[in-house]
Amino acid sequence: TQLLEQSPQFLSIQEGENLTVYCNSSSVFSSLQWYRQEPGEGPVLLVTVVTGGEVKKLKRLTFQFGDARKDSSLHITAAQPGDTGLYLCAGAGNNQGGKLIFGQGTELSVKP
Amino acid sequence: EPEVTQTPSHQVTQMGQEVILRCVPISNHLYFYWYRQILGQKVEFLVSFYNNEISEKSEIFDDQFSVERPDGSNFTLKIRSTKLEDSAMYFCASSTYRNTEAFFGQGTRLTVV
Repeated sequence: TQLLEQSPQFLSIQEGENLTVYCNSSSVFSSLQWYRQEPGEGPVLLVTVVTGGEVKKLKRLTFQFGDARKDSSLHITAAQPGDTGLYLCAGAGNNQGGKLIFGQGTELSVKP
Repeated sequence: EPEVTQTPSHQVTQMGQEVILRCVPISNHLYFYWYRQILGQKVEFLVSFYNNEISEKSEIFDDQFSVERPDGSNFTLKIRSTKLEDSAMYFCASSTYRNTEAFFGQGTRLTVV
């Protein structure tokens, strides 16, 4: 069974601080997607990483896929209150159906 | 920007009743999915659908569940006899191909009473 463990589960920081969220597994994923979810809404796709070692940047957000494609990280530079939300990682395996395995999420709170 | 749309946004039903949750995936996508999220828990995969048949399903997706693409645009999830534990947010998603970016709808909150 493929599992994704996210850490930390909760993170409360001050505006302007940097933070990193980790997503780890013992399984290899063909790709990994990061989503942001607001309360009562569906996950919104932020980025997909596919290649081992790949780094993608989205403004102040930097996403990295581990060389072995078993882990990923999300780094936010100079966090702002608007970054507050639930961040989810989701891995796609080599299964036929395209199923995504989700981590349990990281609840980020950025205080002004 | 194309998006996945789901209806209704909230459904309340009595235990034992049948419910149908509806989704309109993004038009050029080929893979369709249903996921659910019980309050405070992980998003869980239910089923994937491609070429008018189920590609993969989870243990949760038992005989009480079924999916259908009745026409060229809608994708539905039917729960035949709802149980209290079926209460959750149900998300539809679609992607161009398997293992590519999946886009989610805003969800249907199902409450079974």
